[in-house]
Amino acid sequence: SQQGEEDPQALSIQEGENATMNCSYKTSINNLQWYRQNSGRGLVHLILIRSNEREKHSGRLRVTLDTSKKSSSLLITASRAADTASYFCATDGYNTDKLIFGTGTRLQVFP
Amino acid sequence: NAGVTQTPKFRVLKTGQSMTLLCAQDMNHEYMYWYRQDPGMGLRLIHYSVGEGTTAKGEVPDGYNVSRLKKQNFLLGLESAAPSQTSVYFCASSKVTDTQYFGPGTRLTVL
Repeated sequence: SQQGEEDPQALSIQEGENATMNCSYKTSINNLQWYRQNSGRGLVHLILIRSNEREKHSGRLRVTLDTSKKSSSLLITASRAADTASYFCATDGYNTDKLIFGTGTRLQVFP
Repeated sequence: NAGVTQTPKFRVLKTGQSMTLLCAQDMNHEYMYWYRQDPGMGLRLIHYSVGEGTTAKGEVPDGYNVSRLKKQNFLLGLESAAPSQTSVYFCASSKVTDTQYFGPGTRLTVL
C-alpha cells in the first residue's frame, strides 16, 4: 500500500521549542493531509496541502511538500503543552476515494 | 451540528457474538469510512462508501460487513466476533476525498 511513514515515532520537547515531524509516502498523490489525535479521541484535521503546492501555513503550523522526494514535514512553532498528541499524515491515492494514514508521531510537550 | 457520532462508545463481546456499530453524520457528506486503530499502528481502512447504497472494501475488510441504506448512516457489522477484532473503531465522513471528519470512536473488546 502507499502508507505514509512518519518520522520520528516519538518526540519529546519543552514548551516554546519547535517540533518537526516528517512523512514519506510511496506513490503519486493529489493531496497530503495532517491530522492530530488527542489520547482516546478521534482525529482532527489540521491542514491539507495539494500536490502543486510546496508550503502552507496555518497559525503555528507550517507544512511543506516535496513531491520529487515523496515527503512532507509538519512544523509546530512555539509549542505548548496542549500540543501534546499524536500526529498523522494521510495521503490520497491518485484517482482513489480513500486516504491512507501513516503510523503517527507521538509528540510530548513538557511545561 | 453534532458532526459525526458513533454508537456505542464501549462494548465487550464474547468470541462468536455479533454486533453492529452505528455511525451517523449530519453534514450531508457523500463519503463515509470505517477504520480500526490498533496500538502502534495508524488507522486502517475497513470499508467505505461513496454514496447512499454503495459500499467498497478497504485494506482490512475480512470479518466485517457494512451497509449504507441512508446517506447519513453507515453501519459496521461483526457477524462472529474474534479476539483479533479487539480494537478502537473510528467512523469518518467527508464531502469529497479531502478533509475527513471523525467520530469519537468505539472501543471494542472481544474476549
